[in-house]
Amino acid sequence: NAGVTQTPKFQVLKTGQSMTLQCAQDMNHEYMSWYRQDPGMGLRLIHYSVGAGITDQGEVPNGYNVSRSTTEDFPLRLLSAAPSQTSVYFCASRLSPGQETQYFGPGTRLLVL
Amino acid sequence: GIQVEQSPPDLILQEGANSTLRCNFSDSVNNLQWFHQNPWGQLINLFYIPSGTKQNGRLSATTVATERYSLLYISSSQTTDSGVYFCAVSYNQGGKLIFGQGTELSVKP
Repeated sequence: NAGVTQTPKFQVLKTGQSMTLQCAQDMNHEYMSWYRQDPGMGLRLIHYSVGAGITDQGEVPNGYNVSRSTTEDFPLRLLSAAPSQTSVYFCASRLSPGQETQYFGPGTRLLVL
Repeated sequence: GIQVEQSPPDLILQEGANSTLRCNFSDSVNNLQWFHQNPWGQLINLFYIPSGTKQNGRLSATTVATERYSLLYISSSQTTDSGVYFCAVSYNQGGKLIFGQGTELSVKP
């Protein structure tokens, strides 16, 4: 198993540009989520999904869209990037929404100029 | 929403020393996990421990759910233990894991 994979590893955007951060898992996990990590702020939940076709907002959803068309993939879209979205983004998954161990991808470092 | 507080915020140890990290949470939880983020940024799950005690080598964790806290023990620390330790909790069936601010551990040789 590759586990949770994320692409790209690093990206530089200009303000106003759009992009999609890719996340995939090959463990047949129902639950997937996106976090952002900023210095001194810990990890904050952006969006999550409890299964294909079902998504919901986390703590900091503004400026981000998600969709879940398959069990394996959970892309995160920035429609119009802003400098405040400069951060490290982590995708995570676990078997079910309930009491299960969560696994993280390696992260995507995003710089918005 | 639920509040998660970790202490201490940072900790410096000599190799071989023991340490205890604490996680307090403000409401009942049905999921509690400890993670280690190494200096390269990778997040590794250490324990899934909503209650009780678990051990894995030099690391052990105890959660007292009725008193709303969890402890992570690191014994005979090594330089590879350096990094940030996060506690994360979930309090409903939706499964949202909320993270604390972390404890940054530095182990000196």
